[in-house]
Amino acid sequence: NAGVTQTPKFQVLKTGQSMTLQCAQDMNHNSMYWYRQDPGMGLRLIYYSASEGTTDKGEVPNGYNVSRLNKREFSLRLESAAPSQTSVYFCASSGDRVYGGYTFGSGTRLTVV
Amino acid sequence: KNQVEQSPQSLIILEGKNCTLQCNYTVSPFSNLRWYKQDTGRGPVSLTIMTFSENTKSNGRYTATLDADTKQSSLHITASQLSDSASYICVVSEIPTSGTYKYIFGTGTRLKVLA
Repeated sequence: NAGVTQTPKFQVLKTGQSMTLQCAQDMNHNSMYWYRQDPGMGLRLIYYSASEGTTDKGEVPNGYNVSRLNKREFSLRLESAAPSQTSVYFCASSGDRVYGGYTFGSGTRLTVV
Repeated sequence: KNQVEQSPQSLIILEGKNCTLQCNYTVSPFSNLRWYKQDTGRGPVSLTIMTFSENTKSNGRYTATLDADTKQSSLHITASQLSDSASYICVVSEIPTSGTYKYIFGTGTRLKVLA
């Protein structure tokens, strides 16, 4: 099925550990995004990639890095996890930056202890 | 600061009843407004999109309205079903002065439909 695939679905990290969240889309979309969702807050943009080879900071980029490996894949890395990064992370892609809606992955629930 | 506010925060209704969710925004300049449905443990899925010139848009039992003058939108759900239990998120797109379009998410309304 066409869509956005995120791995892993769940992860528990200790403070200071690093990890990479993987995201791949098979819809030939140019734009890809990483969001975090916290209770009582709207989704907040961490980083986005408007096209292959480009990445830009969103609203809450501190503590994260990203790589747009190719048109399909966009990964999010936490170099030194902190409890404040406990959240649900969503990857999304879009084929039309103006009117095209996002297609979201099913999310990664990350807990940092 | 551009904001999107949704009300109520949560809502419980009986199966078969109708309900209306509200979204007020201060985003300007405005490009478009979307309603998303997010099931528990899943990513949001787009229900409707409306541009500045559109007043209403339907998707099955979901009908969204937009008043761009008052900067208000509503999502009306008709003859609710148990599967409508989810969070409904209003997302407003801001026309950028430079760079890429910016999407501002509301915090959502959590709807529970009871049998």
